[in-house]
Amino acid sequence: GAVVSQHPSRVICKSGTSVKIECRSLDFQATTMFWYRQFPKQSLMLMATSNEGSKATYEQGVEKDKFLINHASLTLSTLTVASAHPEDSSFYICSAPDPFNYGYTFGSGTRLTVV
Amino acid sequence: AQKITQTQPGMFVQEKEAVTLDCTYDTSDPSYGLFWYKQPSSGEMIFLIYQGSYDQQNATEGRYSLNFQKARKSANLVISASQLGDSAMYFCAMREGGTYGGSQGNLIFGKGTKLSVKP
Repeated sequence: GAVVSQHPSRVICKSGTSVKIECRSLDFQATTMFWYRQFPKQSLMLMATSNEGSKATYEQGVEKDKFLINHASLTLSTLTVASAHPEDSSFYICSAPDPFNYGYTFGSGTRLTVV
Repeated sequence: AQKITQTQPGMFVQEKEAVTLDCTYDTSDPSYGLFWYKQPSSGEMIFLIYQGSYDQQNATEGRYSLNFQKARKSANLVISASQLGDSAMYFCAMREGGTYGGSQGNLIFGKGTKLSVKP
């Protein structure tokens, strides 16, 4: 099946710095990438949908200036958390439609801790 | 209104016994897909089983089966012969709409059920 590689798996950063999370599709071209955020012991909540070559669509309540999504190629989508603060600490995971079936493939997730 | 409801925050099951995790959904779209995922403490999302809204038979994948009751809008996951390795969070999720032209919408997740398997 389709594989999405997500890096880094874990990052600790200081408050006020920016962090970039990458999701690469290894064996297929991902025209769409979904970005989810999961707070401890909670569900996955969709933050935004990125489409290659166009602006991302953000869900209500998600600050587009803080969570910058770039999908410049068919194999790479990135999420940059700008000027991160402790409340941004969370688990971020990307997902793309799996072209080999009607399911989805997920990255392995990034655990962000802002201190 | 929640689109996916999982009413069991936590469940315990004895090893080798079967367990049912509940999921109800709400949609007015005639075409939709229902998914179950397992999320261990590592955070990865492991696909378990899928049921399409037009599928006539309940889906099965090894020890996993999906009890699909369309009229009741329920899609319960049944795990048979529980193993210690089954201890994890389990999420029910729905995709509204079909997959026409290769495009798919995002998944909507329930709040999850934490399953603990006792030896």
